[in-house]
Amino acid sequence: DAGITQSPRHKVTETGTPVTLRCHQTENHRYMYWYRQDPGHGLRLIHYSYGVKDTDKGEVSDGYSVSRSKTEDFLLTLESATSSQTSVYFCAISQSRGTDTQYFGPGTRLTVL
Amino acid sequence: EDKVVQSPLSLVVHEGDTVTLNCSYEVTNFRSLLWYKQEKKAPTFLFMLTSSGIEKKSGRLSSILDKKELFSILNITATQTGDSAVYLCAVERGSNYQLIWGAGTKLIIKP
Repeated sequence: DAGITQSPRHKVTETGTPVTLRCHQTENHRYMYWYRQDPGHGLRLIHYSYGVKDTDKGEVSDGYSVSRSKTEDFLLTLESATSSQTSVYFCAISQSRGTDTQYFGPGTRLTVL
Repeated sequence: EDKVVQSPLSLVVHEGDTVTLNCSYEVTNFRSLLWYKQEKKAPTFLFMLTSSGIEKKSGRLSSILDKKELFSILNITATQTGDSAVYLCAVERGSNYQLIWGAGTKLIIKP
């Protein structure tokens, strides 16, 4: 398995609180991604990074921000969590974009009450 | 709007049966189609298809792409209980390399 870890693995928080999820990789892959997975929707891209300090939005980026200060770490922040952000969040990595396999972390289950 | 549709949404079969899972897509500037298996945790990669008519095979699993009719199928022969999982299909959009994901097919194999 690709060396990808996510923390925390489970989190319960209250509406309006800030939340930060961490993705850490040991593969030195350039690209990192944050997805959310909800029943009936499949995986949806939130943000991705193509290098240190280089990030871009995905299809569902509203309410989320990201940062990448080191190659190995990609942080996802919910500035003020809402119940609609209750989901399972997956981090993924790839060496390049375009016809390259993405490898996924174990996921973080986030519940916003 | 780009979309990927998988069918059926769920499927229950007995061990030893053969199953066919479908993935149809409408994605501008198609680049590739990928299949993943998800067993209550991270999706794991199965196949990547870029050319029509060329079957990809791995053990009892195989997949083929039809770029004219815009679909792919994933076949699993001689199913085992360990094949129980959600199978995800994703299409890579060539303009920005983003993956458009289907909702998945939940496959349950009964012993």
